Amino acid sequence: DQQVKQNSPSLSVQEGRISILNCDYTNSMFDYFLWYKKYPAEGPTFLISISSIKDKNEDGRFTVFLNKSAKHLSLHIVPSQPGDSAVYFCAASAPGGADGLTFGKGTHLIIQP
Amino acid sequence: SQTIHQWPATLVQPVGSPLSLECTVEGTSNPNLYWYRQAAGRGLQLLFYSVGIGQISSEVPQNLSASRPQDRQFILSSKKLLLSDSGFYLCAWHYRGQETQYFGPGTRLLVL
Repeated sequence: DQQVKQNSPSLSVQEGRISILNCDYTNSMFDYFLWYKKYPAEGPTFLISISSIKDKNEDGRFTVFLNKSAKHLSLHIVPSQPGDSAVYFCAASAPGGADGLTFGKGTHLIIQP
Repeated sequence: SQTIHQWPATLVQPVGSPLSLECTVEGTSNPNLYWYRQAAGRGLQLLFYSVGIGQISSEVPQNLSASRPQDRQFILSSKKLLLSDSGFYLCAWHYRGQETQYFGPGTRLLVL
């Protein structure tokens, strides 16, 4: 049973527009959520995170929104740039975090010129 | 600053052969350490985690094992590889008490 779901395997967005990547989770124990960006044959790079006590966290062009009641989070990238083309993974952690992250399957974001 | 190393970067091994992948972290002490695998077309799956030397927790039954002989060293092993062991293996760490994990460059393993 997948506890973290990214239902869009791929997303194509025009350069300069907003990219919105979505993620749903089922485990109500998750209290910390992260987004990672991954290029082929490289390790994931941490982008941004949000604690369950917040509903929004912003860092430059990246904003993560958390809707706890819907068990849904989203990553907004604005404006989208060609270098943003990558696979984006949503991840979640339960309290303590020592037992690892649970990842979604990823969304391949393609920024078109 | 902290850095995490993995080697080798790429490995091609025959079915039934042994495996040893190494991960080391620099610039920190007492990190929590993790092994993940990304199989083709799938997300990242947690394989093992360790909160200290000699302490290993396994998340998924498989023919892989892990060991932590030193504080900043994490090793992934197998006595006999299967075709299904092919994938991209990632080591990660984080500070105790924090939850953001940082990943190494990964090892691409192809079992033929």
